[in-house]
Amino acid sequence: ETGVTQTPRHLVMGMTNKKSLKCEQHLGHNAMYWYKQSAKKPLELMFVYSLEERVENNSVPSRFSPECPNSSHLFLHLHTLQPEDSALYLCASSHVRGAEGEQYFGPGTRLTVT
Amino acid sequence: GQNIDQPTEMTATEGAIVQINCTYQTSGFNGLFWYQQHAGEAPTFLSYNVLDGLEEKGRFSSFLSRSKGYSYLLLKELQMKDSASYLCAVRSTGFQKLVFGTGTRLLVSP
Repeated sequence: ETGVTQTPRHLVMGMTNKKSLKCEQHLGHNAMYWYKQSAKKPLELMFVYSLEERVENNSVPSRFSPECPNSSHLFLHLHTLQPEDSALYLCASSHVRGAEGEQYFGPGTRLTVT
Repeated sequence: GQNIDQPTEMTATEGAIVQINCTYQTSGFNGLFWYQQHAGEAPTFLSYNVLDGLEEKGRFSSFLSRSKGYSYLLLKELQMKDSASYLCAVRSTGFQKLVFGTGTRLLVSP
């Protein structure tokens, strides 16, 4: 595997379900991110982990719970979601202090909440 | 507040040149990025500007004017595969936080 991978690619869940999204980066980066992408809206930053510590929580509802067990893996635990949470969830990684520090994105998980 | 503006949609012809503009108002500035995103795929990094001027990478160039809060992405010799959304993003503070525009959907026709 190369780059940033995400599983599952598609997820349909009911409002009472609990599920988790997984992200893995194979680039040797030390910062990881969760973004939400909804139709006709900008990419919204949800969480940032830098050196395995959460450094950003962008006013995200508590029904979204991130976990970063090490610098290569990132999870987003989901519970009691709402239909408006249906979106594409993108994971990204970067060097914390690289010259450019560009973020590399995974293919995303298309989430539908019914 | 943070505000990044891009045109919603543009059309161009194969072989032509197109310029996609981006204006920004952010609380700080630590670099501007352009990403390309094909439908249903991940955004991919195209270019980075932190100083004023033009950065060229093959058929793609990006320009920045910090005093004007303005950038553009220039695509030359357009190909059908360039049909995609182009996202402008500003790193306002620190090294991790990017603020994205809504993206410009470019349609290249034969």
